[in-house]
Amino acid sequence: EVQLVESGGGLVQPGGSLRLSCTASGFTSSNYWMHWVRQAPGKGLVWVSHVNGDGSSTTYPDSVKGRFIISRDKAKNTLFLQMNSLRAEDTAVYFCVRGSRGGFDIWGQGTMVTVSS
Amino acid sequence: DIQMTQSPSTLSASVGDRVTITCRASQSPSSWLAWYQQKPGKAPKFLIYNTSSLESGVPSRFSGSGSGTEFTLTINSLQPDDFATYHCQHYNSYSWTFGQGTKVEIK
Repeated sequence: EVQLVESGGGLVQPGGSLRLSCTASGFTSSNYWMHWVRQAPGKGLVWVSHVNGDGSSTTYPDSVKGRFIISRDKAKNTLFLQMNSLRAEDTAVYFCVRGSRGGFDIWGQGTMVTVSS
Repeated sequence: DIQMTQSPSTLSASVGDRVTITCRASQSPSSWLAWYQQKPGKAPKFLIYNTSSLESGVPSRFSGSGSGTEFTLTINSLQPDDFATYHCQHYNSYSWTFGQGTKVEIK
């Protein structure tokens, strides 16, 4: 079964850091672009990062550029999101997603990140 | 950056109704327009890509159309399982943008 499972969410103080992980199974994630998408409580979906197949190219929206770093471990079929200098507005469910045909065809169940003092 | 605006924000409908949701782009995008269905507490589900191509396993009552800056998702003969929130999403040049979502609720 094709599956993505996120972990690493939790409560962090403003200015703190958190590292999310996403393990892929049922497919070779390095054959795909991979992304993180977030959703604040009661709000819409927002794309927050992209990495290409071999990890050599990454993209971010301005809202997280310079604070978030996406990376991948090919051997472990795992995707990461290092989040630094966290702000209250980063509070959201973070989804690991597989890129396909201009969209996102496989989604993890999400992991909640809460930034609060 | 391209902004995607969905309308309406909420739509009340009955089982069997034909429902149309619109997504407008702030500039003329490419055809990389996708639609998702999301139920409360769950991850979104990929429904349509390239404006009108149905993802495998998605019922044929769902269809997508559009060009230029206006795109639509149509659900023919709404079923009880279709009450959910629907999101459009555009891709262009390493930027992915979602609409704000449309909630389809029971009338």
